[in-house]
Amino acid sequence: AQSVTQPDIHITVSEGASLELRCNYSYGATPYLFWYVQSPGQGLQLLLKYFSGDTLVQGIKGFEAEFKRSQSSFNLRKPSVHWSDAAEYFCAVGAGFGNEKLTFGTGTRLTIIP
Amino acid sequence: GAGVSQSPSNKVTEKGKDVELRCDPISGHTALYWYRQSLGQGLEFLIYFQGNSAPDKSGLPSDRFSAERTGGSVSTLTIQRTQQEDSAVYLCASSLGLAGPRDIQYFGAGTRLSVL
Repeated sequence: AQSVTQPDIHITVSEGASLELRCNYSYGATPYLFWYVQSPGQGLQLLLKYFSGDTLVQGIKGFEAEFKRSQSSFNLRKPSVHWSDAAEYFCAVGAGFGNEKLTFGTGTRLTIIP
Repeated sequence: GAGVSQSPSNKVTEKGKDVELRCDPISGHTALYWYRQSLGQGLEFLIYFQGNSAPDKSGLPSDRFSAERTGGSVSTLTIQRTQQEDSAVYLCASSLGLAGPRDIQYFGAGTRLSVL
């Protein structure tokens, strides 16, 4: 069965600073990887996804993520954060056909300080 | 509709009562998912519908939980004899249902259930 670990429960960064959120997955085959963001009282919004091909993927709001098979990681990055990026971030992994559910990590809460 | 709609947005109930949570998926989406988000637990999968059938209900925590989908559209999650540990945000998602794991799931804002 697949699993996802987000080691950082809470991260605080200054506005304008760079950001990296960590995600490690466990899955025997090539995973389908996603990053979602959840603002307070809102549903989850997809930031980006990786299925195959180029291991560096670009998403919305200036986010990018890099798939590293050797490290079983799919870390999310942003060069310069904005106060509006404060939210909860979830990494998720999908398996194959017949197993369409997403398995999520426990999330990382991002706080932005001026 | 424009997005996934869930109702009610908040539900407070007493222990032992039954509750029904509703999800209206995006028009044309054949796949529908229910997840539960508990404090500090991330999101747990509950059940997956393709059309009106539920090929994967492996995440339902007990037989007090059931779900149905009618007309390939609206879904209802029912929790019978609610317990305090059922308190959580229940999220619904829908997707086109054509690409398996490549499908993008679109989430509603959730129903926050509080069991007193």
